Amino acid sequence: AQRVTQPEKLLSVFKGAPVELKCNYSYSGSPELFWYVQYSRQRLQLLLRHISRESIKGFTADLNKGETSFHLKKPFAQEEDSAMYYCALFNNAGNMLTFGGGTRLMVKP
Amino acid sequence: NAGVMQNPRHLVRRRGQEARLRCSPMKGHSHVYWYRQLPEEGLKFMVYLQKENIIDESGMPKERFSAEFPKEGPSILRIQQVVRGDSAAYFCASSPPSAGYFSGYTFGSGTRLTVV
Repeated sequence: AQRVTQPEKLLSVFKGAPVELKCNYSYSGSPELFWYVQYSRQRLQLLLRHISRESIKGFTADLNKGETSFHLKKPFAQEEDSAMYYCALFNNAGNMLTFGGGTRLMVKP
Repeated sequence: NAGVMQNPRHLVRRRGQEARLRCSPMKGHSHVYWYRQLPEEGLKFMVYLQKENIIDESGMPKERFSAEFPKEGPSILRIQQVVRGDSAAYFCASSPPSAGYFSGYTFGSGTRLTVV
């Protein structure tokens, strides 16, 4: 069975500090992984997906199959990055996304 | 294309009443997913539906909760005899038909249910 784990419920950093939001997964097939972001009281939005290998709003995430991880990183956090971040795994057998428990990022001035 | 529409945005119910949450998927999307977000907690999968079919309801509580996605009209998540613990934000997402690859979810703005 697939599983997505985000070990930190809350991550608090100062503006300008580096950020790493951790995500680990378990999945027997070839994983498709995503990061979603939810700003205060708004809908979830796709931030990035691993197959795109892109950088969005300064965030990057690298899939590490050996460590079964897909950590989200940003070198210099901004206050507007404060939000809830969800890591998600696509289960193509079930045709659905499984989300981790989420990490709330707070960037302090 | 108006996106995924959920209504109402806010719903207040007294204990014991019924709550009906509606989700209209994006045009062309035939798959609907419901998720629940409890206060200070993450997003929990509830149910996955296609038109007239429940595909996966492994996240639905066994009692009081039901969901449908009829041939015509929106998907409905129904909670009977609500209790305070049902207070949460309920999000709906939709996706187009796919052939085993991820074709993208679009989320609605959610319905915030408060049970008093």
